[in-house]
Amino acid sequence: QSALTQPASVSGSPGQSITISCTGISSDVGDYKSVSWYQQHPGKAPKLIIYAVTNRPSGVSDRFSGSKSGNSASLTISGLQAEDEADYYCSSYTTTTTGFGGGTRLTVL
Amino acid sequence: EVRLVESGGGLVKPGGSLRLSCAASGFTFSSYSMNWVRQAPGKGLEWVSSISSSRGSIYYGDSVKGRFTISRDNGKKSLYLQMNSLRAEDTAVYYCAITIFGLPPPSDAFDIWGQGTLVTVSS
Repeated sequence: QSALTQPASVSGSPGQSITISCTGISSDVGDYKSVSWYQQHPGKAPKLIIYAVTNRPSGVSDRFSGSKSGNSASLTISGLQAEDEADYYCSSYTTTTTGFGGGTRLTVL
Repeated sequence: EVRLVESGGGLVKPGGSLRLSCAASGFTFSSYSMNWVRQAPGKGLEWVSSISSSRGSIYYGDSVKGRFTISRDNGKKSLYLQMNSLRAEDTAVYYCAITIFGLPPPSDAFDIWGQGTLVTVSS
C-alpha cells in the first residue's frame, strides 16, 4: 500500500487543464522532503516530468507544472493533448526510503 | 547517448535466486547514484533499492530488505541486483534508473531509465 495517495483516474477533453493530486507529503522532519512526477505510457519505462516539486527536466513541455501545499502536491497539465493519455505517478523520499504514489490513469476524452 | 540496458530476468521458482544486471553507457557512471524500481504486472511503481556513486550509501525498500542486495562495479559501468529467497510477489519488471544530477540517495528524481527486465517467480 502506497503512503502517497493519488486518485485512480482523471479525465479531460483536449485543450482543457487537469490536476492530479498526491497526498501524504509532509513538511515535518523525517517525512517526505521533495516531490517528483512521472509519466508512463503502456509498455514503456516511466519518464520524469517534474522534480523538486516545480522543476521540469530539459525537453519536457511547459504544459506540465507542479506545486505543493502542506501535505499535498499537485501536477497540472494544461492544454490537454491526446498524447498526454498515460499513467502518472508522484514520488517522494524520506531520510531512508523512496516512495511512489499508486498512480493515476489520465484519459483524454 | 545515455543508455541503460537491464538483463538477467527470467522464470525462477519460489525460494530461488536471480541476479539482475544493468549496463550503463554514454555518461560517467561512477559519478551517479543508481536505483532499482520494479512494477508488478498491471500495478504501480515500487522503489526497490538505491546505491550511491561510491557505494558508501545503500538503501532498500522494506519488502526486499534482507533478501536483495544492490551492488555496482564502476570499472565495468554496471549495476547489479542479487535477489534471493524470491517470492511470487517479487514478480515484476525491474528497471534500473539514474538519479538526476548525481544527487546522493535517497532521492525521488530518476531521470534516465532502462527498458526493464521481467522477473517471474512461479512454480
